[in-house]
Amino acid sequence: EDKVVQSPLSLVVHEGDTVTLNCSYEVTNFRSLLWYKQEKKAPTFLFMLTSSGIEKKSGRLSSILDKKELFSILNITATQTGDSAVYLCAVPRGAGGTSYGKLTFGQGTILTVHP
Amino acid sequence: GAVVSQHPSRVICKSGTSVKIECRSLDFQATTMFWYRQFPKQSLMLMATSNEGSKATYEQGVEKDKFLINHASLTLSTLTVTSAHPEDSSFYICSGDRYTFGSGTRLTVV
Repeated sequence: EDKVVQSPLSLVVHEGDTVTLNCSYEVTNFRSLLWYKQEKKAPTFLFMLTSSGIEKKSGRLSSILDKKELFSILNITATQTGDSAVYLCAVPRGAGGTSYGKLTFGQGTILTVHP
Repeated sequence: GAVVSQHPSRVICKSGTSVKIECRSLDFQATTMFWYRQFPKQSLMLMATSNEGSKATYEQGVEKDKFLINHASLTLSTLTVTSAHPEDSSFYICSGDRYTFGSGTRLTVV
C-alpha cells in the first residue's frame, strides 16, 4: 500500500521567516509527486515533480524531489500571513489510465504565519 | 484551466436522511471523476472513482450502498450519502484530475 508521510504536522512562524516542509513516500510505480495548498476549501495545485534534483519554483515557493531518498521538500521564503494554510503532498496511484487521478495524500502540514 | 463546480458548499441534515452532492465539469468532458473525504484535522482519503456510463469503483472499506455515485453524463457526477449518520459528517471533495478539485461540501449530520 502506498504511503505518504509529511513533517512537521504543524508549524508556527513569523512573517519573513523561511520554512521547509517535508514529504517522504513509499509507493509502487512512482511517477510523480504533487504539492497542494489548502485554505479552508479544496486543494490548490502548486507543483508536480517527476525528476530528481530539478527545482520547481513559483515566486517565493520552490520544491525539489529526491527519488533516491524518496522525499521531497517544499520551501517558502519570506513567509506572509497569506501563506497560512495546510500544505499537502500526494502521489498518484498505479501506472496509468484512470490511476492518474487517484491520489494518496500525506497528513498535511498546518502552517501558521503570524504578523 | 479546467474548472470543477461542486454544490452545495455546506449542508446540514438530520440523521436518517439522504444528501446529494453534485460535481460538474464546466469546461471539459470528464469521463472519470474522483471523490474524496476529509475528516477534521486529517488528510484527504479517496472514496471512489466514478465512471461515465458505468459503475463506480469504490476503495476498500467504503460502503457502496451508503455512498451512491452516479455519473450519467460527461459533465456531471453525483454522490448521495444515504441514511446519513453523525459519523458521516465530513468534508467531501470531488476532482476531475490531479490538478482540479471542486470547492468541497461540508456535510453535518445532526
